[in-house]
Amino acid sequence: IAGITQAPTSQILAAGRRMTLRCTQDMRHNAMYWYRQDLGLGLRLIHYSNTAGTTGKGEVPDGYSVSRANTDDFPLTLASAVPSQTSVYFCASAARTGLKNTEAFFGQGTRLTVV
Amino acid sequence: AQRVTQPEKLLSVFKGAPVELKCNYSYSGSPELFWYVQYSRQRLQLLLRHISRESIKGFTADLNKGETSFHLKKPFAQEEDSAMYYCALRAAGNKLTFGGGTRVLVKP
Repeated sequence: IAGITQAPTSQILAAGRRMTLRCTQDMRHNAMYWYRQDLGLGLRLIHYSNTAGTTGKGEVPDGYSVSRANTDDFPLTLASAVPSQTSVYFCASAARTGLKNTEAFFGQGTRLTVV
Repeated sequence: AQRVTQPEKLLSVFKGAPVELKCNYSYSGSPELFWYVQYSRQRLQLLLRHISRESIKGFTADLNKGETSFHLKKPFAQEEDSAMYYCALRAAGNKLTFGGGTRVLVKP
């Protein structure tokens, strides 16, 4: 693994089903993020995590949950998918604020279609 | 609460013309501001950050705390600048918020 990786790349999901999007980074970054990207709405923050063991809500957290059991992994779960959750999902990680290099690195995205 | 606003969804310019992408923010503390770019079929990547005050690919951005703005400028647009551009604000506590994005189309 080099950088940050998401899985799956794309998925078609029946409404009402449970789905977990995976995100793994090997840069030992403290902060991790989940965004959804929708046409005309840009990138909206779903959930984020400052460090392993802590999570926080973003702008659009409803219908999603996250966990941060360790530094490397930050899975996003849709407990019961609905069509409005059709989107492209991006995971990102960044070193903590206060350091010189705090840019966020992004995964390649997961295209999710809920039917 | 922190907020980032990019008022233009689409900017269409001719090659060689200047381009300016507007970004306004609201945040009560001292923000870190960034511009990210997403080229077709590529991941989002950092273009520049306000702390470094550098010019990347001919782009510059100046933080204006009085106007709470961080506009991105390039004097002579190139076709390869066609992409989606996002302004972002990182607050204390690591929360990273993006604007709605501006699509730039540079015509030959």
